[in-house]
Amino acid sequence: AQTVTQSQPEMSVQEAETVTLSCTYDTSESDYYLFWYKQPPSRQMILVIRQEAYKQQNATENRFSVNFQKAAKSFSLKISDSQLGDAAMYFCAYRGLNSGGSNYKLTFGKGTLLTVNP
Amino acid sequence: DGGITQSPKYLFRKEGQNVTLSCEQNLNHDAMYWYRQDPGQGLRLIYYSQIVNDFQKGDIAEGYSVSREKKESFPLTVTSAQKNPTAFYLCASSYSSGSFYEQYFGPGTRLTVT
Repeated sequence: AQTVTQSQPEMSVQEAETVTLSCTYDTSESDYYLFWYKQPPSRQMILVIRQEAYKQQNATENRFSVNFQKAAKSFSLKISDSQLGDAAMYFCAYRGLNSGGSNYKLTFGKGTLLTVNP
Repeated sequence: DGGITQSPKYLFRKEGQNVTLSCEQNLNHDAMYWYRQDPGQGLRLIYYSQIVNDFQKGDIAEGYSVSREKKESFPLTVTSAQKNPTAFYLCASSYSSGSFYEQYFGPGTRLTVT
């Protein structure tokens, strides 16, 4: 079974600074997707960024970028120029593509609570 | 506006009662999912459905039941057999083919059982 580990329960960053959230995963599959979701205090889950495992190029969405290291099974999220609105719980998630009937499920890490200090 | 709606936002029930949480989507997604979120636990999959009239158990299905009679709707029933039903419940949906694999989430329902 796949597992996703977020080793930082909490992180903090100063406004306008850069912060990196860590995520590692364990899988025997070769083809899969990885995601970062954001959950602000409203508790609405919002997709931040996604990465296809077959792509070597790291995904980027405006101030958000990932460092995807397939061999190390690592998928960190970098937030540049942090803003107060970035304060939220961030979840790393894995979706396998080789698992037959169960290949639609997402496996989530336990989350990292990010605080942005003004 | 396309999206996922969950109702109600807050739900209170007495222990021993069954309760049904609503989830409706107008995104034309084939697949729908129910997750449970507890503090410090992340999201855990309860049930999912890839097509109408078909659904599979997730990782924590005991004490829950679902139905999928319409593509747009995937209600979750929390039965009296669920030992710790108080939690935040999230419904999600996605396409089941092609390259759009991300799941879109509803606003959630907070269930409190006393």
